[in-house]
Parts: sequence; structure tokens; C-alpha cells
Amino acid sequence: DAGITQSPRHKVTETGTPVTLRCHQTENHRYMYWYRQDPGHGLRLIHYSYGVKDTDKGEVSDGYSVSRSKTEDFLLTLESATSSQTSVYFCAISETGGQPQHFGDGTRLSIL
Amino acid sequence: QQQVKQSPQSLIVQKGGISIINCAYENTAFDYFPWYQQFPGKGPALLIAIRPDVSEKKEGRFTISFNKSAKQFSLHIMDSQPGDSATYFCAASRGAAGNKLTFGGGTRVLVKP
Repeated sequence: DAGITQSPRHKVTETGTPVTLRCHQTENHRYMYWYRQDPGHGLRLIHYSYGVKDTDKGEVSDGYSVSRSKTEDFLLTLESATSSQTSVYFCAISETGGQPQHFGDGTRLSIL
Repeated sequence: QQQVKQSPQSLIVQKGGISIINCAYENTAFDYFPWYQQFPGKGPALLIAIRPDVSEKKEGRFTISFNKSAKQFSLHIMDSQPGDSATYFCAASRGAAGNKLTFGGGTRVLVKP
């Protein structure tokens, strides 16, 4: 398995609170991605990074921000969580933009 | 607007049978088409992938068929086994655009012994 660790694995929080999810990789891959998974929608890209401090938006970026200060860490922040952001969040990595993506085991986030 | 449409949503097949999952895409700029397999509580794992310069790719019991003119591709699982019971996702991307994957909605496959 690709060396990807997502933390926390489960979190329950309340509407309006800030939430930060962490993705840590040991593969020294350049690209990192955040997806959310919802029934019937497959996985949808939130944000991705193509290098330290280099990030770009995906198709469902509203309400989310990201940061990457080190190659190995990619953080996803919900500034003020809403119930519509209840989902399973997956981090993925790839060596380059043209290489396959490998996924972590996800974070299940519930916002009450 | 869902750019990759996957069908069926669920599938039940007997052990030894063939599972077929279909996907259709809209963006003709897509040039990489992977399939992912996901077990409960785990992240998706790359199963097999194809690029549009070939019409078919086979790896063991898994085959991708690709029809560029129809903008469709499919996954065939031959001699399906109970261990193949999982959710399968097709996806598509433009490799030159950071490999941002667009996923289909997923197909839950159950293989009965």
C-alpha cells in the first residue's frame, strides 16, 4: 500500500465549527488531492496540489481551503462546517500529473 | 453536470459469471480512463486503466473495452468470484491537466457463491 495516512479517521462535529483534516504521505510524491465521496456521486475533487505551496481548485471547492507547507502534508480545512459537508473524505497522491493516483483509507466526517 | 455516467448502480452475479459495468463520458479531451475497486472502509484502489489509443486491455480476469467514437468504455470481470464483491468506479482525466480525475457514480457488485 502507498504510504498515505489520513487523520482523523472519524470525526463528529457541530455546524459552524472549523475542521481540519490531514493527509500525510511517505512517498515523496509531488501531487496530492482531496476528494469527497457521497452516494451516487462517486468521488468529486475538492482541491489538489502540484507542489509545496502550489494548489488549485477542483469541481466542489466552495467552503473548503487547503494548505501544503511540506511535501508530505496536505491539509483540508472547512472554515465553518455545514451539514452538507458531511461526507467521507479521501486523500490521493501521484508521483507526477500523468501517473496513477493512490488513495488513503478516508476520513468519515459527520456534521450535526 | 456529471461528465462520466456509470451504469448499472448495482449488480448481482453468480460465481463464475461475467460482470459488466459501463461508462460514458462527454469530454473528448479525456485521455486516461482508469477503473478503481473499493472495499468497505477502504480507499479506492487502481484496478486497470486504458488510454484511447487502444480498444481493449486485459489484466487477468479484468478487461477494459474502449469505444472512442461512442465515448464509452466498459469493465468486464470474467469468472467473477465472491472476493470481487466491491464497489467499482470508472474515471477519466486529462493527463496534461494534473490528472484530475472525474469519477462515475459507482457500481456495487455482489458475487453470490
